Amino acid sequence: TQLLEQSPQFLSIQEGENLTVYCNSSSVFSSLQWYRQEPGEGPVLLVTVVTGGEVKKLKRLTFQFGDARKDSSLHITAAQPGDTGLYLCAGHTLYNFNKFYFGSGTKLNVKP
Amino acid sequence: NAGVTQTPKFRILKIGQSMTLQCTQDMNHNYMYWYRQDPGMGLKLIYYSVGAGITDKGEVPNGYNVSRSTTEDFPLRLELAAPSQTSVYFCASSYSSKGNTEAFFGQGTRLTVV
Repeated sequence: TQLLEQSPQFLSIQEGENLTVYCNSSSVFSSLQWYRQEPGEGPVLLVTVVTGGEVKKLKRLTFQFGDARKDSSLHITAAQPGDTGLYLCAGHTLYNFNKFYFGSGTKLNVKP
Repeated sequence: NAGVTQTPKFRILKIGQSMTLQCTQDMNHNYMYWYRQDPGMGLKLIYYSVGAGITDKGEVPNGYNVSRSTTEDFPLRLELAAPSQTSVYFCASSYSSKGNTEAFFGQGTRLTVV
Protein backbone atom coordinates (compact mmCIF):
# COMPACT_ATOMS: atom_id res chain seq x y z
CA THR A 1 0.00 0.00 0.00
CA GLN A 2 1.13 3.55 -0.67
CA LEU A 3 0.90 6.44 1.73
CA LEU A 4 -0.94 8.45 -0.93
CA GLU A 5 -3.70 6.62 -2.77
CA GLN A 6 -5.11 8.07 -5.96
CA SER A 7 -8.39 7.31 -7.66
CA PRO A 8 -9.31 6.45 -10.23
CA GLN A 9 -6.24 4.57 -11.41
CA PHE A 10 -7.25 4.90 -15.07
CA LEU A 11 -9.58 7.35 -16.78
CA SER A 12 -10.50 7.43 -20.47
CA ILE A 13 -12.82 10.23 -21.53
CA GLN A 14 -13.90 12.19 -24.59
CA GLU A 15 -12.61 15.65 -25.37
CA GLY A 16 -14.77 18.29 -23.68
CA GLU A 17 -15.76 16.20 -20.66
CA ASN A 18 -14.98 17.16 -17.07
CA LEU A 19 -13.14 14.93 -14.61
CA THR A 20 -11.89 14.80 -11.04
CA VAL A 21 -8.89 12.92 -9.67
CA TYR A 22 -8.59 12.24 -5.95
CA CYS A 23 -5.55 11.85 -3.71
CA ASN A 24 -6.14 10.48 -0.20
CA SER A 25 -4.05 9.57 2.82
CA SER A 26 -4.50 8.67 6.46
CA SER A 27 -1.53 10.96 7.24
CA VAL A 28 -1.44 14.72 7.53
CA PHE A 29 0.70 16.49 4.97
CA SER A 30 2.47 19.82 5.32
CA SER A 31 1.50 20.47 1.70
CA LEU A 32 0.61 18.54 -1.41
CA GLN A 33 1.90 18.92 -4.92
CA TRP A 34 0.50 17.72 -8.23
CA TYR A 35 2.79 16.58 -11.04
CA ARG A 36 2.14 15.53 -14.61
CA GLN A 37 4.28 12.96 -16.35
CA GLU A 38 4.58 12.28 -20.06
CA PRO A 39 5.80 8.89 -21.36
CA GLY A 40 9.58 8.60 -21.17
CA GLU A 41 9.95 11.75 -19.09
CA GLY A 42 10.23 12.64 -15.43
CA PRO A 43 7.30 14.27 -13.58
CA VAL A 44 6.87 18.03 -13.89
CA LEU A 45 5.29 20.18 -11.19
CA LEU A 46 1.82 21.64 -11.86
CA VAL A 47 0.94 23.21 -8.52
CA THR A 48 1.54 23.20 -4.76
CA VAL A 49 -1.25 23.60 -2.19
CA VAL A 50 -0.14 24.51 1.31
CA THR A 51 -3.06 25.64 3.45
CA GLY A 52 -5.94 23.38 4.47
CA GLY A 53 -8.99 24.22 2.32
CA GLU A 54 -6.87 26.04 -0.25
CA VAL A 55 -8.08 26.15 -3.86
CA LYS A 56 -5.78 26.97 -6.76
CA LYS A 57 -6.64 27.35 -10.42
CA LEU A 58 -4.36 26.83 -13.37
CA LYS A 59 -6.36 27.61 -16.53
CA ARG A 60 -8.81 24.66 -16.81
CA LEU A 61 -7.30 22.82 -13.82
CA THR A 62 -8.58 23.38 -10.28
CA PHE A 63 -6.70 21.97 -7.29
CA GLN A 64 -8.05 21.71 -3.76
CA PHE A 65 -6.38 20.76 -0.47
CA GLY A 66 -8.63 19.16 2.12
CA ASP A 67 -9.38 21.01 5.34
CA ALA A 68 -7.62 18.32 7.39
CA ARG A 69 -4.65 18.27 4.96
CA LYS A 70 -5.03 14.55 4.35
CA ASP A 71 -6.44 14.73 0.84
CA SER A 72 -6.47 16.73 -2.36
CA SER A 73 -8.35 16.78 -5.64
CA LEU A 74 -7.62 17.83 -9.20
CA HIS A 75 -10.55 18.86 -11.40
CA ILE A 76 -10.15 19.37 -15.14
CA THR A 77 -12.84 21.26 -17.04
CA ALA A 78 -13.42 20.59 -20.74
CA ALA A 79 -10.54 18.12 -21.06
CA GLN A 80 -8.41 18.25 -24.19
CA PRO A 81 -6.17 15.58 -25.79
CA GLY A 82 -3.17 17.58 -24.62
CA ASP A 83 -4.20 16.80 -21.02
CA THR A 84 -3.39 13.13 -21.60
CA GLY A 85 -0.73 11.87 -19.20
CA LEU A 86 -0.03 10.42 -15.78
CA TYR A 87 -1.08 12.66 -12.89
CA LEU A 88 0.70 12.22 -9.58
CA CYS A 89 0.14 13.79 -6.20
CA ALA A 90 3.13 14.10 -3.85
CA GLY A 91 4.07 15.60 -0.53
CA HIS A 92 5.94 15.66 2.77
CA THR A 93 4.18 14.40 5.88
CA LEU A 94 4.26 16.35 9.11
CA TYR A 95 6.03 13.57 11.05
CA ASN A 96 8.91 13.15 8.57
CA PHE A 97 9.65 16.32 6.70
CA ASN A 98 12.49 14.88 4.69
CA LYS A 99 10.73 12.01 2.92
CA PHE A 100 8.95 13.01 -0.27
CA TYR A 101 6.15 10.57 -1.10
CA PHE A 102 4.32 10.11 -4.38
CA GLY A 103 0.83 8.82 -4.98
CA SER A 104 -0.14 5.72 -6.92
CA GLY A 105 -0.92 7.77 -10.06
CA THR A 106 -3.91 8.36 -12.35
CA LYS A 107 -3.45 7.65 -16.02
CA LEU A 108 -5.67 9.98 -18.06
CA ASN A 109 -6.47 9.46 -21.74
CA VAL A 110 -8.50 12.15 -23.50
CA LYS A 111 -9.84 11.02 -26.85
CA PRO A 112 -10.44 13.56 -29.63
CA ASN B 1 20.64 24.30 -18.08
CA ALA B 2 21.59 20.69 -17.23
CA GLY B 3 19.42 20.29 -14.09
CA VAL B 4 19.36 16.63 -13.01
CA THR B 5 21.30 14.23 -15.21
CA GLN B 6 20.96 10.46 -15.03
CA THR B 7 23.10 7.86 -16.75
CA PRO B 8 22.68 5.42 -18.37
CA LYS B 9 19.26 5.87 -20.01
CA PHE B 10 18.84 2.16 -20.66
CA ARG B 11 20.50 -0.96 -19.28
CA ILE B 12 19.96 -4.70 -19.42
CA LEU B 13 21.46 -6.71 -16.55
CA LYS B 14 21.68 -10.42 -15.95
CA ILE B 15 20.46 -11.82 -12.64
CA GLY B 16 23.18 -11.48 -10.02
CA GLN B 17 25.10 -8.71 -11.78
CA SER B 18 25.71 -5.37 -10.13
CA MET B 19 25.61 -1.83 -11.44
CA THR B 20 25.56 1.80 -10.38
CA LEU B 21 22.99 4.29 -11.63
CA GLN B 22 24.52 7.73 -11.75
CA CYS B 23 22.74 10.95 -10.80
CA THR B 24 24.19 14.43 -10.72
CA GLN B 25 22.62 17.86 -10.29
CA ASP B 26 24.06 21.31 -10.88
CA MET B 27 21.49 23.36 -8.94
CA ASN B 28 23.27 23.14 -5.56
CA HIS B 29 20.26 21.35 -4.08
CA ASN B 30 20.63 19.78 -0.66
CA TYR B 31 17.87 17.21 -1.04
CA MET B 32 18.14 14.31 -3.45
CA TYR B 33 15.89 11.29 -3.96
CA TRP B 34 15.83 7.99 -5.79
CA TYR B 35 12.52 6.50 -6.93
CA ARG B 36 11.46 3.50 -8.90
CA GLN B 37 8.38 3.46 -11.12
CA ASP B 38 6.72 0.31 -12.39
CA PRO B 39 4.61 0.54 -15.59
CA GLY B 40 1.60 2.85 -15.25
CA MET B 41 2.19 3.29 -11.52
CA GLY B 42 3.31 5.98 -9.14
CA LEU B 43 6.81 6.50 -7.79
CA LYS B 44 8.13 4.63 -4.77
CA LEU B 45 10.90 6.19 -2.69
CA ILE B 46 14.02 4.03 -2.45
CA TYR B 47 16.52 6.29 -0.65
CA TYR B 48 16.92 9.96 0.01
CA SER B 49 19.60 12.36 1.18
CA VAL B 50 19.33 15.71 2.95
CA GLY B 51 22.92 16.70 2.26
CA ALA B 52 26.42 15.44 1.61
CA GLY B 53 27.27 12.54 3.91
CA ILE B 54 23.66 11.95 5.01
CA THR B 55 21.39 9.29 3.52
CA ASP B 56 18.33 7.44 4.75
CA LYS B 57 15.97 4.68 3.64
CA GLY B 58 12.70 5.31 1.87
CA GLU B 59 9.76 2.96 1.31
CA VAL B 60 11.54 0.23 -0.72
CA PRO B 61 15.29 0.22 0.10
CA ASN B 62 15.97 -3.54 0.02
CA GLY B 63 18.47 -4.55 -2.67
CA TYR B 64 19.84 -1.01 -3.09
CA ASN B 65 22.54 1.16 -1.60
CA VAL B 66 23.41 4.83 -1.97
CA SER B 67 26.15 7.26 -1.06
CA ARG B 68 26.38 11.05 -1.05
CA SER B 69 29.97 12.15 -0.94
CA THR B 70 29.28 15.49 -2.66
CA THR B 71 26.29 17.82 -2.95
CA GLU B 72 26.12 17.17 -6.70
CA ASP B 73 26.21 13.37 -6.91
CA PHE B 74 23.88 10.70 -5.56
CA PRO B 75 24.62 7.28 -7.12
CA LEU B 76 22.34 4.27 -6.60
CA ARG B 77 23.98 0.85 -6.38
CA LEU B 78 22.36 -2.51 -7.16
CA GLU B 79 24.54 -5.30 -5.79
CA LEU B 80 22.80 -8.52 -6.88
CA ALA B 81 20.28 -7.70 -9.58
CA ALA B 82 16.96 -9.54 -9.45
CA PRO B 83 14.04 -9.58 -11.94
CA SER B 84 11.93 -7.72 -9.34
CA GLN B 85 14.27 -4.74 -9.83
CA THR B 86 13.18 -4.33 -13.45
CA SER B 87 11.75 -0.81 -13.43
CA VAL B 88 12.33 2.79 -14.43
CA TYR B 89 14.48 4.65 -11.93
CA PHE B 90 14.19 8.39 -11.38
CA CYS B 91 16.53 10.65 -9.49
CA ALA B 92 15.21 13.98 -8.20
CA SER B 93 16.53 16.96 -6.30
CA SER B 94 15.04 19.90 -4.43
CA TYR B 95 16.34 22.94 -2.61
CA SER B 96 14.64 22.05 0.66
CA SER B 97 11.95 19.86 2.15
CA LYS B 98 9.58 22.76 2.68
CA GLY B 99 6.27 22.06 1.02
CA ASN B 100 6.33 24.72 -1.67
CA THR B 101 9.70 23.63 -3.05
CA GLU B 102 9.63 22.01 -6.48
CA ALA B 103 11.36 18.69 -7.09
CA PHE B 104 13.27 18.43 -10.35
CA PHE B 105 13.64 15.07 -12.06
CA GLY B 106 16.10 13.42 -14.36
CA GLN B 107 15.00 11.65 -17.53
CA GLY B 108 15.07 8.25 -15.88
CA THR B 109 17.00 5.01 -16.31
CA ARG B 110 15.10 2.05 -17.75
CA LEU B 111 16.54 -1.10 -16.23
CA THR B 112 15.70 -4.65 -17.28
CA VAL B 113 16.98 -7.64 -15.31
CA VAL B 114 16.87 -10.95 -17.19
